[in-house]
Amino acid sequence: SQQGEEDPQALSIQEGENATMNCSYKTSINNLQWYRQNSGRGLVHLILIRSNEREKHSGRLRVTLDTSKKSSSLLITASRAADTASYFCATDEGGSNYKLTFGKGTLLTVNP
Amino acid sequence: KAGVTQTPRYLIKTRGQQVTLSCSPISGHRSVSWYQQTPGQGLQFLFEYFSETQRNKGNFPGRFSGRQFSNSRSEMNVSTLELGDSALYLCASSFDVRLTSGAGEQYFGPGTRLTVT
Repeated sequence: SQQGEEDPQALSIQEGENATMNCSYKTSINNLQWYRQNSGRGLVHLILIRSNEREKHSGRLRVTLDTSKKSSSLLITASRAADTASYFCATDEGGSNYKLTFGKGTLLTVNP
Repeated sequence: KAGVTQTPRYLIKTRGQQVTLSCSPISGHRSVSWYQQTPGQGLQFLFEYFSETQRNKGNFPGRFSGRQFSNSRSEMNVSTLELGDSALYLCASSFDVRLTSGAGEQYFGPGTRLTVT
């Protein structure tokens, strides 16, 4: 079963707007990661946030983590057409289980 | 530094055949993980190797197997192919996916797209 579930499944915005994607998970975790995948290609790591962190920034990306609600959000500010991709959250399952479990992703389309 | 490479990039096989996919990790990386990606099931973890030992395994039948060589290169094999094995197979490497704080970031290859007819 999926550990992480992204919401929404698809999002379409205009260039310059902000995009927010959410991820919910079921069990306690050590780390949560976000990845991007351009159409049918390999995934690119965006950001990792530890369970004892609440917020992290990287360039135009902002990730928040709420372990009490078992949820995370990824905010992309000032989006560009090149941000068009699928975005996945990935979690381990806490403890000594280092297996990464991915959600089904959010397909983001940024229209020029 | 060269990225993760996977060969072949595309493969067409018929039911009942077997297939071997290859992955060369980033130089210095010792952990290699394999994932299957399909439209219906999404990304699913197959297995992870570290220093030639399988450390973790997903919920796949025994037809799916893998190995890692002393140079960290890895291969996965699928025997008796079924139509449902059609997927994008992704390999990911890291120095060691097991950080002291949990699972660390992984670097993905472009994938091998397998079509079973």
